[in-house]
Amino acid sequence: QITLKESGPTLVKPTQTLMLTCTFSGFSFTTSGVGVGWIRQPPGKALEWLALIYWNNDKRYRPSLKRRLTITKDTSKNQVVLTMTNMGPVDTATYYCAQDYGDYGNNWFDPWGQGILVTVSS
Amino acid sequence: EIVLTQSPATLSLSPGERATLSCRASQSVSDYLAWYQQKPGQAPRLLIYDASKRATDIPARFSGSGSGTDFTLTISSLEPEDSAVYYCQQRSNWQVITFGQGTRVEIK
Repeated sequence: QITLKESGPTLVKPTQTLMLTCTFSGFSFTTSGVGVGWIRQPPGKALEWLALIYWNNDKRYRPSLKRRLTITKDTSKNQVVLTMTNMGPVDTATYYCAQDYGDYGNNWFDPWGQGILVTVSS
Repeated sequence: EIVLTQSPATLSLSPGERATLSCRASQSVSDYLAWYQQKPGQAPRLLIYDASKRATDIPARFSGSGSGTDFTLTISSLEPEDSAVYYCQQRSNWQVITFGQGTRVEIK
């Protein structure tokens, strides 16, 4: 069974840096083709893809946020970390991590973690 | 960036009825389109990928069709548990994965 779970702060102040960790089980970055992505969802709004990382350390970022995002992996810990700098109120959202479903580069997401609501407020 | 426009915004139907949801892309995405279901307070779940392939353990009442710019998700006979928001997602331009704004399906 594949599971993912997000962890990190639920409240950050404007201009601070957010660091979220996705801890997963049931698969491993030692397997060719494995990828994990981050997607966020502001309250009551649609989904927005942020970043992806693959077993071979290939990384993809949403161009409009690329300067603020960093995605890394720790293969031994089965973790993916997303860092977002200069947080603002518009970044208030539920942040999800999800496995890249199927073959390398499919860019479909399943399964997903439960999500973590991050609020940006002073 | 490819924009996905979903219609209608809300669909209100009775159990057993057929639901037809539309997703239109601002440019061709070939068949690189997926559909997700999101119930209140839950994470999304992948239903359909590559426009028409059902994901693992998805009931046969869910089907997808289309290619290019026009896609449809059909729920052949609505069940009460199908009440949710449905999102489409494209990956044609892999540098920017985008989602539609969602269609809410309400069961009367």
